[in-house]
Amino acid sequence: TQLLEQSPQFLSIQEGENLTVYCNSSSVFSSLQWYRQEPGEGPVLLVTVVTGGEVKKLKRLTFQFGDARKDSSLHITAAQPGDTGLYLCAGEDAGGTSYGKLTFGQGTILTVHP
Amino acid sequence: EAQVTQNPRYLITVTGKKLTVTCSQNMNHEYMSWYRQDPGLGLRQIYYSMNVEVTDKGDVPEGYKVSRKEKRNFPLILESPSPNQTSLYFCASTKRTPVLGYNEQFFGPGTRLTVL
Repeated sequence: TQLLEQSPQFLSIQEGENLTVYCNSSSVFSSLQWYRQEPGEGPVLLVTVVTGGEVKKLKRLTFQFGDARKDSSLHITAAQPGDTGLYLCAGEDAGGTSYGKLTFGQGTILTVHP
Repeated sequence: EAQVTQNPRYLITVTGKKLTVTCSQNMNHEYMSWYRQDPGLGLRQIYYSMNVEVTDKGDVPEGYKVSRKEKRNFPLILESPSPNQTSLYFCASTKRTPVLGYNEQFFGPGTRLTVL
């Protein structure tokens, strides 16, 4: 069974601060997805990284996939109260019979105070 | 509009009373799955289906059943619900996009289930 360890579980910061969320595994994933989830709603995809070492930017959010495709990070620069929410990483093994299954990290609850 | 729908969105029931949560997708996807979400545990896969009449257990299948008689529908059945099945449930549908190196996931809006 593949596992994804996500940390930290809780993050409470002031507006304007930077933060990083980590996802680590001993397993190799063919892709790593980051989601954001609001209360009462389903996860919404932010980005997918596929290539080892890949870096993607989405405004103030920077996503990185580890060279060995076992880990990933999400960095937010100058956090704003609107960034508050639950962030989830999820790995997929796209090949073979397990395609479609996502292995999720435990989630990070981010609170950005004005 | 491409979407995954779930019903009901909220359900409060009592221990032992059979219930079904429906899930439907209009994108003709072969792969569908059910997840449950619990605080501090992320989402965990319950069951999945790779096509009509093909279903298999995920990571936490105990206490659940599924069926896939049609491609668009994938209901989740709790024959005898227990309080430890109180959770937030998500149905997901997957579009195979091997050229992208990953597959696109579509999540339903979720069903909040409380078992008393």
